Amino acid sequence: KQEVTQIPAALSVPEGENLVLNCSFTDSAIYNLQWFRQDPGKGLTSLLLIQSSQREQTSGRLNASLDKSSGRSTLYIAASQPGDSATYLCAVDDSGNTPLVFGKGTRLSVIA
Amino acid sequence: DGGITQSPKYLFRKEGQNVTLSCEQNLNHDAMYWYRQDPGQGLRLIYYSQIVNDFQKGDIAEGYSVSREKKESFPLTVTSAQKNPTAFYLCASSYGGRGREQYFGPGTRLTVT
Repeated sequence: KQEVTQIPAALSVPEGENLVLNCSFTDSAIYNLQWFRQDPGKGLTSLLLIQSSQREQTSGRLNASLDKSSGRSTLYIAASQPGDSATYLCAVDDSGNTPLVFGKGTRLSVIA
Repeated sequence: DGGITQSPKYLFRKEGQNVTLSCEQNLNHDAMYWYRQDPGQGLRLIYYSQIVNDFQKGDIAEGYSVSREKKESFPLTVTSAQKNPTAFYLCASSYGGRGREQYFGPGTRLTVT
């Protein structure tokens, strides 16, 4: 059964710092991997989707990479801002019956 | 505006009562999903539907029921058989087929006392 792990569970950084969030998954037979942002009490906002054939995707200050063979993805946030403070979740769509399997998220705080 | 709406945002019920959560989308998506989120846990799939009049159980379907009579709507009923129904419920949708990007609604927080 697919398992998704996100480390660290929480992260606090000063404004302007570049940072990396990690996501690992146990079964490399995936269709895609998706990164989401969740603000407190809100729904999820899709940030980036990486298909299994891709190595990375970029959107503004965000860059997500995928190494399917090692079961890892990273989300790189450049020049962090207080508005980036949120929980970031990764999810994989694998070949099993469950459409998306989620990690527990990394709670990011960017301090001004 | 295209999107997914969930209503109500907050819902309070007494133990033993069934309650139905609404989810509507105008994105013309074929597939719709219901997730449950508890503090400190990731999202867990309750039910999903890839086409009208068809749906499949997810990891934690016990105590829940769904219907998919229209493409736009996928209501979730939390029955009295659900042992711990207090949670944040999220609805999502996507175009059909595997590997499609999922879009989420704003969620409904259900509190059962």
